[in-house]
Amino acid sequence: KAGVTQTPRYLIKTRGQQVTLSCSPISGHRSVSWYQQTPGQGLQFLFEYFSETQRNKGNFPGRFSGRQFSNSRSEMNVSTLELGDSALYLCASSLSASETQYFGPGTRLLVL
Amino acid sequence: AQSVTQPDIHITVSEGASLELRCNYSYGATPYLFWYVQSPGQGLQLLLKYFSGDTLVQGIKGFEAEFKRSQSSFNLRKPSVHWSDAAEYFCAVLYNQAGTALIFGKGTTLSVSS
Repeated sequence: KAGVTQTPRYLIKTRGQQVTLSCSPISGHRSVSWYQQTPGQGLQFLFEYFSETQRNKGNFPGRFSGRQFSNSRSEMNVSTLELGDSALYLCASSLSASETQYFGPGTRLLVL
Repeated sequence: AQSVTQPDIHITVSEGASLELRCNYSYGATPYLFWYVQSPGQGLQLLLKYFSGDTLVQGIKGFEAEFKRSQSSFNLRKPSVHWSDAAEYFCAVLYNQAGTALIFGKGTTLSVSS
């Protein structure tokens, strides 16, 4: 069974731009979560989607948003990029709530 | 508030020696606990998990962890470290309320010396 895939793997943007990252979960998994990883803050939860509904949201500004499609694929969007948004963005999928989360390889975003 | 503490930022172990990485958690309910490993530039790979039952859990690559409720700990162990084990290790607790989220520790970087 294929693992979690994320596209693109690398992105370079400039301040003020917006970016969309994509995540395809493991087949049959209905929950998708997003995390931001930075050297200073570590791994932080962004949000979680289940059956196209956002169920949980971390402590991030409204510039960070996401959605989930009927096939469980998910996208996250960051608008008005800031230098501090440079990070590795990780997507994880699980069968349902309270299940093990399996991570993709991440998208590394660099904001200049 | 829920939190995970990994007291050791960096550990160096000789190849063939035993390893123990510490993890302490703060969580009001019965915790679901995980250990993940991350190689440079890569995503997180699940090593093992504890949901309930036997407090000593076995994982991949010869790793094991022991859940101790009285000490709020979930330490990771390996009897004999290989050079390929050099990576960053993260302990996490699953926070389950109105949706689920993993709360991670800051991680422990393991270096293996020959």
